[in-house]
Amino acid sequence: NAGVTQTPKFQVLKTGQSMTLQCAQDMNHNSMYWYRQDPGMGLRLIYYSASEGTTDKGEVPNGYNVSRLNKREFSLRLESAAPSQTSVYFCASSGVGTSPLNEQFFGPGTRLTVL
Amino acid sequence: GNSVTQMEGPVTLSEEAFLTINCTYTATGYPSLFWYVQYPGEGLQLLLKATKADDKGSNKGFEATYRKETTSFHLEKGSVQVSDSAVYFCAHDGGFFGNEKLTFGTGTRLTIIP
Repeated sequence: NAGVTQTPKFQVLKTGQSMTLQCAQDMNHNSMYWYRQDPGMGLRLIYYSASEGTTDKGEVPNGYNVSRLNKREFSLRLESAAPSQTSVYFCASSGVGTSPLNEQFFGPGTRLTVL
Repeated sequence: GNSVTQMEGPVTLSEEAFLTINCTYTATGYPSLFWYVQYPGEGLQLLLKATKADDKGSNKGFEATYRKETTSFHLEKGSVQVSDSAVYFCAHDGGFFGNEKLTFGTGTRLTIIP
């Protein structure tokens, strides 16, 4: 039982390049989330998905797109990276089997630097 | 709206000292409350939680009591260890039935000196 996994762990991009961050969970959770963590800002929600086939914007969605590929996988795409997107990105999941349902489980994070 | 305000860091303590990290919240419903911990280089993990007023969450020697009258959920530990060095986040779920999104505080970095 791996929990929440994320790839890659580290990435360096040049301004304007694109990339996709991958996230998968094996806990049969319905809901999945993407956050970014910046110094002094805590965690800010980028996008979330309440179930397979649905996605909704969070607090800071601009510059990002997401895909809920199936119940297990939720990817985050940067179409044209900007230095302001330099951050640590966390994926999380919650749902069936946790009490309360909104207890979230986090992946190890992806540290992204945009030059 | 929903918000979480927690003690600004960084906090530096000596081993075996008493720890308090303050957390207050604003929510339109009756939320569940959480403390998450992030060890260096890792993701967040749930430390403890409380789902209703006067509940006390506890884990690994840490405790926090849900105080509805003061909208607070302060984290305490009687004797900290070097291994407790981490960033601590307070969070809540807003209190609406079916809402799974969490609102996080900005985090408090704790460093314990031997």
